[in-house]
Amino acid sequence: AQSVTQLDSHVSVSEGTPVLLRCNYSSSYSPSLFWYVQHPNKGLQLLLKYTSAATLVKGINGFEAEFKKSETSFHLTKPSAHMSDAAEYFCVISGAGSYQLTFGKGTKLSVIP
Amino acid sequence: GAGVSQTPSNKVTEKGKYVELRCDPISGHTALYWYRQSLGQGPEFLIYFQGTGAADDSGLPNDRFFAVRPEGSVSTLKIQRTERGDSAVYLCASSLTGEPTDTQYFGPGTRLTVL
Repeated sequence: AQSVTQLDSHVSVSEGTPVLLRCNYSSSYSPSLFWYVQHPNKGLQLLLKYTSAATLVKGINGFEAEFKKSETSFHLTKPSAHMSDAAEYFCVISGAGSYQLTFGKGTKLSVIP
Repeated sequence: GAGVSQTPSNKVTEKGKYVELRCDPISGHTALYWYRQSLGQGPEFLIYFQGTGAADDSGLPNDRFFAVRPEGSVSTLKIQRTERGDSAVYLCASSLTGEPTDTQYFGPGTRLTVL
């Protein structure tokens, strides 16, 4: 079985300050890991994905995540938050031979002007 | 190009009624998935199609739920005898091949409300 745990249900940052959204995973085999973003009344959009290539993954809109096997973590970061980053973020895992995506419970990011 | 589309965007029905939710995947994508997102939760897997066949329906909660994809493109999720607990956003996604590393592209969802 595989799972992800998003450590914060809500994160609030000021515009222009760094963003850190935390995710830990559990998997018996080498996982694929994803971060998706969901803006209000919009569909889920892929930010980035890790599939066993480079451990530091760069995504869209300045986001990046680092796969750390020793810490079983896949935290999402961005150097400087923008108002448009306010949304719900989901850490997602799929495993060897499995196309099913298993989602975390989500972290709501608020950006304060 | 066009993304995944879902219709209707909102559906309100009464307990006990039958509903159909439609998904149009990205053209050329062989894999199609249905997920359900309850309030305050992440999406949960329901069913996966590879081509016309349901390769994995292990996520369907009970036999009131079933889905079809007769021509390997459009899919319909059907719910019989709806219950209030079925209220959720139903999401459809498609991917090119269905490999685990494939990116799944999601539609905007259908919000189902059962009164």
